[in-house]
Amino acid sequence: GAVVSQHPSWVICKSGTSVKIECRSLDFQATTMFWYRQFPKQSLMLMATSNEGSKATYEQGVEKDKFLINHASLTLSTLTVTSAHPEDSSFYICSPSGGAVDTQYFGPGTRLTVL
Amino acid sequence: SQQGEEDPQALSIQEGENATMNCSYKTSINNLQWYRQNSGRGLVHLILIRSNEREKHSGRLRVTLDTSKKSSSLLITASRAADTASYFCATDAAGNNRLAFGKGNQVVVIP
Repeated sequence: GAVVSQHPSWVICKSGTSVKIECRSLDFQATTMFWYRQFPKQSLMLMATSNEGSKATYEQGVEKDKFLINHASLTLSTLTVTSAHPEDSSFYICSPSGGAVDTQYFGPGTRLTVL
Repeated sequence: SQQGEEDPQALSIQEGENATMNCSYKTSINNLQWYRQNSGRGLVHLILIRSNEREKHSGRLRVTLDTSKKSSSLLITASRAADTASYFCATDAAGNNRLAFGKGNQVVVIP
């Protein structure tokens, strides 16, 4: 499978600050990037889908002004959690795709804790 | 909305026993995948079964798919302590390249 990295792997921040999470697909070009969020003991919930060079499409209930997604290149996407609050504490997982679900890979995740 | 839904049960079994998990979904799919997730870690892809397949094997894993019942099962044979993890099914609805994940099954294998 493809090599996907996320940085940072974990972050603790104060309420009100912004946090940027990077996702890199190291050995293939991701035409599509999915961002998921996972609360403790729950499943992955799709937050948004972005295509390289285009604006992201957000799932219902996900605030696009709060979760800023940039997919400027085929190997890098970023998710910025703006003005983070404790309820944003979660495990964020990126998933780059080459266009079909059987070429969809997953990053190792970023644990965000907002104090 | 979530497509795949596992039976919401946690399994606790002895090493060497078999573990079976089920997943049901609601709409037509192109394929169904099973993933494993160790606590606090990312997902590990286990197996993909296409909508025109009924059964698939990979090592100690056996997956079945019944499209008439919109359900799938994952069987882990001769379980090991290292199989302790959460297991998720994920489906892509026909015509939609996005994966939707089920709730997950927590499996604990006791050495």
